[in-house]
Amino acid sequence: DIQMTQSPSPLSASVGDSVTITCRASQTISTYLNWYHHKPGKAPKLLIYDASSLHSGVPSRFSGSGSGTDFTLTISSLQPEDFATYYCQQSYSLPYTFGQGTKLEIK
Amino acid sequence: QVHLQESGPGLVKPSQTLSLTCTVSGGSISGGPYFWSWIRQPAGKGLEWIGRIYTGGSTNYSPSLQSRVTMSVDTSKNQFSLNLNSVTAADTAVYYCARVSSMDYYMDVWGSGTTVTVSS
Repeated sequence: DIQMTQSPSPLSASVGDSVTITCRASQTISTYLNWYHHKPGKAPKLLIYDASSLHSGVPSRFSGSGSGTDFTLTISSLQPEDFATYYCQQSYSLPYTFGQGTKLEIK
Repeated sequence: QVHLQESGPGLVKPSQTLSLTCTVSGGSISGGPYFWSWIRQPAGKGLEWIGRIYTGGSTNYSPSLQSRVTMSVDTSKNQFSLNLNSVTAADTAVYYCARVSSMDYYMDVWGSGTTVTVSS
């Protein structure tokens, strides 16, 4: 299985800040990397697919980059609703695997 | 807009079978090139992919659960299902269903999850 490792966790920031979350794959996954936003009791939401493509309806303050083994999710100008847990997920090969999650907390 | 909703017992006894159903609304389960997946999250832990099924019935399961998992799809009811047998306390989790794009295999629609506790 491909192991996905996220950093940092947790991450503390304030409304209006810009933050970056990193995800590293244990082997190359091209750009088959997706990012999700998750709040307790809610459905996870797709933010970014194919490493850098913004999912429909997702605000443009979210952006993704990377290829191979190293990827980043950047959120510019944090809004109150952005404080949640973020997961990366590889869809390069089965079984799909997720990072351990990065909890973004209000400073 | 497609919406997914999980349903099933919230409490299952050890060694028994966990059975969940995901109902698809707002679109046909056969209406596009999608897979349908189950994912779970034990309390305080991350997300674990369980498996996927195509509307034609082909399946792929996580190797760690493959010996205990069965997925099926009922296109007449617009539903797909998960059966996990011989459950233990380690199977206690929130279970999510999700739609998976058959292009880049991202999960673009999720249910809100259902909590299943394994306990006697």
